[in-house]
Amino acid sequence: AQSVTQLDSQVPVFEEAPVELRCNYSSSVSVYLFWYVQYPNQGLQLLLKYLSGSTLVKGINGFEAEFNKSQTSFHLRKPSVHISDTAEYFCAVKQGNTPLVFGKGTRLSVIA
Amino acid sequence: DSGVTQTPKHLITATGQRVTLRCSPRSGDLSVYWYQQSLDQGLQFLIQYYNGEERAKGNILERFSAQQFPDLHSELNLSSLELGDSALYFCASSVRGLAGGETQYFGPGTRLLVL
Repeated sequence: AQSVTQLDSQVPVFEEAPVELRCNYSSSVSVYLFWYVQYPNQGLQLLLKYLSGSTLVKGINGFEAEFNKSQTSFHLRKPSVHISDTAEYFCAVKQGNTPLVFGKGTRLSVIA
Repeated sequence: DSGVTQTPKHLITATGQRVTLRCSPRSGDLSVYWYQQSLDQGLQFLIQYYNGEERAKGNILERFSAQQFPDLHSELNLSSLELGDSALYFCASSVRGLAGGETQYFGPGTRLLVL
């Protein structure tokens, strides 16, 4: 069964600094990869997803992620964060017809 | 706003009781998914329905059941509630089903507290 590891449970970062949230998944067999964001007291919102093609995926709110098949990673990046980016970020993987499998989440705290 | 609605927003009940959570998918979406989010387990897939039929089952307890009605709304029934069932329950919907990299759109969740 697929599994997803988000290596950092919490990431504090100063406003306007770059950030990288790390995600590794368990299998290199054909997968679909997703990043979702959960703002306080809200549901999950899709940031971006990788299905195939270019390994660099651009999403909403200035986020991007890079699919690295050899390292089975899908790290999320933003060159300059804002206070409004404070939220919980979830990486998820899907293989074929199986359900989405989520990581435990990374809490991003942006400090003014 | 994802277009997925869930009611109620909050629910407080006692152990041993039964509750029903309701979800209305986005217009045009045929699939509904239920997830449980807790501090210790994270986000766990419970069950999926597609056009009224059960399609996939995850870590759903036997005390829990779900159904999808002809108008495509879905209900998750939780019975003989235990303290450990306290969690945030999300519903998500998508156009078709599990195949491929289809985006799932999440509702705002129902926060259940069992006392």
